[in-house]
Amino acid sequence: EIVMTQSPLILSASPGERVTLSCRASQSVSLNLAWLQLKPGQAPRLLIYRASTRASGISDRFSGSGFGTEFTLTISSLQSEDVAVYYCQQYNNRPPATFGQGTKVEIK
Amino acid sequence: QLQLQESGPGLVKPSESLSLICTVSGGSISTSGKYWGWVRQSPGKGLEWFGSIYFGGSTYYNPSMKSRVTISVDTSKNQFSLQLNSVTDADTAVYYCARAPQVWDLFDSWGLGTLVTVSS
Repeated sequence: EIVMTQSPLILSASPGERVTLSCRASQSVSLNLAWLQLKPGQAPRLLIYRASTRASGISDRFSGSGFGTEFTLTISSLQSEDVAVYYCQQYNNRPPATFGQGTKVEIK
Repeated sequence: QLQLQESGPGLVKPSESLSLICTVSGGSISTSGKYWGWVRQSPGKGLEWFGSIYFGGSTYYNPSMKSRVTISVDTSKNQFSLQLNSVTDADTAVYYCARAPQVWDLFDSWGLGTLVTVSS
């Protein structure tokens, strides 16, 4: 089973700031990496798949990059509505698909 | 617009079975190429993928849970379901159902989730 490790676990930034979240896989997952956004009381939302492809309806403030074992999610200008927990997920070596432990993004 | 809604008991006793149903609206569960799955979020283990099903009946399970999990589909009701046997308090979690439009474990539409507590 592939272990996904995210960093940092908590990220606090000011509105308008550029933020970068990291995700590392224990072995190569090629480009088969997704990013999800979870907010309390809301349905989870797929942001990015195939490492860098934005899902339908997702703001271009969100961008993904990486290949193999190292991936990043960047929010170009942090907004209050971006407060959430972000998870990376690999769907390359499966079953099972596996998730990172999440990065909580807060507003300063 | 596709919507998914989880339903089922919020409280299950240890050693019993947990059964959840996901009702799909705004689209057909029998759409070619779409898979339907279950994911849970628990404090101890974060997000875990349980398994997925195709409307024709093909199933894909998490090997660590395969012995306890059954996922089935009822196309006449546009629903699919999860059964988890022999639950323990470690199975207390928010359970989500979701749709995977391309591969069986990449989900683009999710339900709101339902909290299931395992307690006597």
